[in-house]
Amino acid sequence: DVKVTQSSRYLVKRTGEKVFLECVQDMDHENMFWYRQDPGLGLRLIYFSYDVKMKEKGDIPEGYSVSREKKERFSLILESASTNQTSMYLCASYPIAGTFTLYGYTFGSGTRLTVV
Amino acid sequence: SQQGEEDPQALSIQEGENATMNCSYKTSINNLQWYRQNSGRGLVHLILIRSNEREKHSGRLRVTLDTSKKSSSLLITASRAADTASYFCATDTLMNRDDKIIFGKGTRLHILP
Repeated sequence: DVKVTQSSRYLVKRTGEKVFLECVQDMDHENMFWYRQDPGLGLRLIYFSYDVKMKEKGDIPEGYSVSREKKERFSLILESASTNQTSMYLCASYPIAGTFTLYGYTFGSGTRLTVV
Repeated sequence: SQQGEEDPQALSIQEGENATMNCSYKTSINNLQWYRQNSGRGLVHLILIRSNEREKHSGRLRVTLDTSKKSSSLLITASRAADTASYFCATDTLMNRDDKIIFGKGTRLHILP
């Protein structure tokens, strides 16, 4: 089975800190995504990447950046954490463009980030 | 704008009963998918139905799709305590080479013992 691993289940960070959320997948997927999930708002797409060193903005990229130096790893960076970035962060992937219909997303277990 | 909207927002039923959740959407789609999320965890892909399909089964799951009404339903038969979770529909609209995926806000299902 494809595995998407998020390095931390729970994180507590201080306002203004630079925060790195790591996501690694082990099945050579090209497409990787970062979502945040908030009560009443559902899942919202932050950034995604179709290949190494490629990145595209999602619906809510403000306050975030990403890094994809290797195919298997997609990092989400909060440049200066703020309390409104307290959320559940979900990483997802699927093989290549046009295969979402076949496979759907594989999600990681999520990182619950609290910014104090 | 919200594409998939699940209904109801929350549902409590007795173990052994059937659970039905609905999803409505606004634009044409390539396919619609249902996911389950256990509390505090990531989403798990359950089933996908393509736009040219009307019904699909997988174990105790039955999904229907009515493209004329832009709606889908997920039926879980003979519910179990382990089915307690949130269920999300996700619509896939292919734009150029990109899949545009939009999730609904989910239905919280609680199975009572």
